[in-house]
Amino acid sequence: GDSVTQMEGPVTLSEEAFLTINCTYTATGYPSLFWYVQYPGEGLQLLLKATKADDKGSNKGFEATYRKETTSFHLEKGSVQVSDSAVYFCALSGDYGGSQGNLIFGKGTKLSVKP
Amino acid sequence: NAGVTQTPKFQVLKTGQSMTLQCAQDMNHNSMYWYRQDPGMGLRLIYYSASEGTTDKGEVPNGYNVSRLNKREFSLRLESAAPSQTSVYFCASRLHRDRVQPQHFGDGTRLSIL
Repeated sequence: GDSVTQMEGPVTLSEEAFLTINCTYTATGYPSLFWYVQYPGEGLQLLLKATKADDKGSNKGFEATYRKETTSFHLEKGSVQVSDSAVYFCALSGDYGGSQGNLIFGKGTKLSVKP
Repeated sequence: NAGVTQTPKFQVLKTGQSMTLQCAQDMNHNSMYWYRQDPGMGLRLIYYSASEGTTDKGEVPNGYNVSRLNKREFSLRLESAAPSQTSVYFCASRLHRDRVQPQHFGDGTRLSIL
């Protein structure tokens, strides 16, 4: 069935450092890909999405490109801030097979940014 | 605009007690979902309702029941709570059960079962 694998955390960075959180997926058909962010004590918020190969999603300085050839959707930000400290989830929504349009989540990566 | 509202936010139960978690959305969405979040496990789908009048099992449905009361409301019931059901529960909604549509989440219910 469909699955998402993302790098394990926690990830600790200094303010203004470059961030990469790796995400790879397995899916039948042509899934959509999402990054969600969860701040402490809150629910998940959509950060960005991409619905077809080579699409780039971007929001709040974060970017991710849908790479079908490597089945990846890595999250990047050029200069992180303390306020970016949160848990980040990669997710896919597929057409067929295991997910049938439902969201499949990775296990999450906790990011801590130090001043 | 409230989005997805979950009640209660916190609850402590004793083993064997029953409880219903409430969820309502005001975005006129057709599809609604219940997840549980456990440390190191990500989010796992318990049940979903693709449209009003339908419900289906997700990945971890055992020990739970759901009711899609109307288009706005989707409740999750624990008939006989067990310590293994201690978790954070999230409700989500989506315009359609379409792969391009994102889901919108509530703030969660933190449930402890002693």
